[in-house]
Amino acid sequence: DAKTTQPNSMESNEEEPVHLPCNHSTISGTDYIHWYRQLPSQGPEYVIHGLTSNVNNRMASLAIAEDRKSSTLILHRATLRDAAVYYCIPSSNTGKLIFGQGTTLQVKP
Amino acid sequence: DAGVIQSPRHEVTEMGQEVTLRCKPISGHNSLFWYRQTMMRGLELLIYFNNNVPIDDSGMPEDRFSAKMPNASFSTLKIQPSEPRDSAVYFCASSLPGHRKQFFGPGTRLTVL
Repeated sequence: DAKTTQPNSMESNEEEPVHLPCNHSTISGTDYIHWYRQLPSQGPEYVIHGLTSNVNNRMASLAIAEDRKSSTLILHRATLRDAAVYYCIPSSNTGKLIFGQGTTLQVKP
Repeated sequence: DAGVIQSPRHEVTEMGQEVTLRCKPISGHNSLFWYRQTMMRGLELLIYFNNNVPIDDSGMPEDRFSAKMPNASFSTLKIQPSEPRDSAVYFCASSLPGHRKQFFGPGTRLTVL
């Protein structure tokens, strides 16, 4: 399983973009990069995933480095409801998700 | 769509008692996952099933833990006997065949006194 490195915490102002980085230098060539988030007192929630190309959905964008050793989750306009722990998870096609410590995002009004 | 359903939502029991946690995956999902979350160890994958068959139980802490999936719409995680260190939030998740998006339930908060 690929190891990941994420900042323990980040702060953002409401309505501003947020860039959440993740290093996964040991990722294998077939591992997808998943992002999940966990709001307080809730179960984790899928955000986005990708393999090589940048990905967009209604929640966020995922920018993947060309060498795939890092990725960045982009929230285009942070809201107070985006305050959560964000997990970056390289995962093979087995479907297993190995959660690290994640990044706790605080959003200030 | 009701999402993944877990019961009970809260369970308080005494050391040595048997505990059974239940999960109903989303209809049509054929993969089911059990996770445990504690402050010390974070979110840990305990076991997962594909088509009701256990595929990987390497995360199950010890023989006191067992999980079953008798059919596509129901799974149980049993702890017997329970110990205080088993206190945690237990999550169940399910996913569609061949899909990477897991849907998590609300969790069961277990307290073992």
